[in-house]
Amino acid sequence: GNSVTQMEGPVTLSEEAFLTINCTYTATGYPSLFWYVQYPGEGLQLLLKATKADDKGSNKGFEATYRKETTSFHLEKGSVQVSDSAVYFCALSERAGGTSYGKLTFGQGTILTVHP
Amino acid sequence: SQTIHQWPATLVQPVGSPLSLECTVEGTSNPNLYWYRQAAGRGLQLLFYSVGIGQISSEVPQNLSASRPQDRQFILSSKKLLLSDSGFYLCAWAPGVGPRGYTFGSGTRLTVV
Repeated sequence: GNSVTQMEGPVTLSEEAFLTINCTYTATGYPSLFWYVQYPGEGLQLLLKATKADDKGSNKGFEATYRKETTSFHLEKGSVQVSDSAVYFCALSERAGGTSYGKLTFGQGTILTVHP
Repeated sequence: SQTIHQWPATLVQPVGSPLSLECTVEGTSNPNLYWYRQAAGRGLQLLFYSVGIGQISSEVPQNLSASRPQDRQFILSSKKLLLSDSGFYLCAWAPGVGPRGYTFGSGTRLTVV
């Protein structure tokens, strides 16, 4: 079955530091890949996505590139802010068609804390 | 535009009591609907999904059930809550076809005491 593995956290950084959160996946076929962010006490918000190999998703200074050869979708940001403190989830979804109902499979989440 | 509503935001219930959490979607037709649970300190687990009215699939055996009485309404229920049912419950919807973007509700924090 499908699975997503994220780097273990928590990750603690100083403001303006470079961020990388690793994410690798196993899947049959060609999934779509997502990063979601969960701020304290809130639901999940879509941060960025990529639907095919070599696509780069980007939003709010965050980027991730769909790497089929390494089955990875690492999240990066050049300069983090205190307001980026949250839990980040990598996820994949099967494409439409066949018996797939588009279930979203999540990684375990990575807690990011950014200090001033 | 599409919106998703989930309520209540927080709930404290005694063990053995019933549960009903509701989720509604506006601005779309025939969405796929999902219930996820996030236990404390852990990732998200898919509980139920539905591709149409009255069509419910369960991902894990548990004390909970789900129903979809209308196209854009998804209800999570229990007849008798257990302590282990405590957690953060999230409803989500996605288009029936095409790239699978998901939109999540704001969640319900359930504490069973």
